[in-house]
Amino acid sequence: DVKVTQSSRYLVKRTGEKVFLECVQDMDHENMFWYRQDPGLGLRLIYFSYDVKMKEKGDIPEGYSVSREKKERFSLILESASTNQTSMYLCASSFVGSPWMSQYFGPGTRLLVL
Amino acid sequence: AQKVTQAQTEISVVEKEDVTLDCVYETRDTTYYLFWYKQPPSGELVFLIRRNSFDEQNEISGRYSWNFQKSTSSFNFTITASQVVDSAVYFCALRGSNDYKLSFGAGTTVTVRA
Repeated sequence: DVKVTQSSRYLVKRTGEKVFLECVQDMDHENMFWYRQDPGLGLRLIYFSYDVKMKEKGDIPEGYSVSREKKERFSLILESASTNQTSMYLCASSFVGSPWMSQYFGPGTRLLVL
Repeated sequence: AQKVTQAQTEISVVEKEDVTLDCVYETRDTTYYLFWYKQPPSGELVFLIRRNSFDEQNEISGRYSWNFQKSTSSFNFTITASQVVDSAVYFCALRGSNDYKLSFGAGTTVTVRA
């Protein structure tokens, strides 16, 4: 079974802090994704990566950056957290070799920025 | 650009009733992939079913069934004889053949009462 893990289930930070969210997958998937989920808006893509050190902006990249130094690990960075970044963050991965490229998700991190 | 619309925000049913979730999509791709995901209260999105644009055959898998109609750009999902454990948020998603990413609908919250 595909396993996607995220470093924290719940996180409380203060405005202006630098925040790191980490995601690890164990199935050697090429693609990895970071989404944020807000009520009524569904999931919106922040960034994705299709290979080590490769990244592309999603629909809402402002205020975020990412890092992918190893294939299994994809980090989301909030350089200076703001209250409007309070949200649920979901990481996912997918396998390029399948035409479906079904995405497998981690359990999510609920981030509260005070 | 891909767009997915789930017009139903919330659905509440009594156990053993059937639940049908609507999904309408927009895409210019001739090849595309459709998915339904379930998000229980624990937060992790779980993949349920998928369909590609070449296969309009509707199927049943256990208590799940789906109705894919390209003519109306709809990919509806039905839970038969609902159970309390079906209470969750359900997301419809679309991926174009040239995309890595998924476009999600806003989600439908299903509450099944005992």
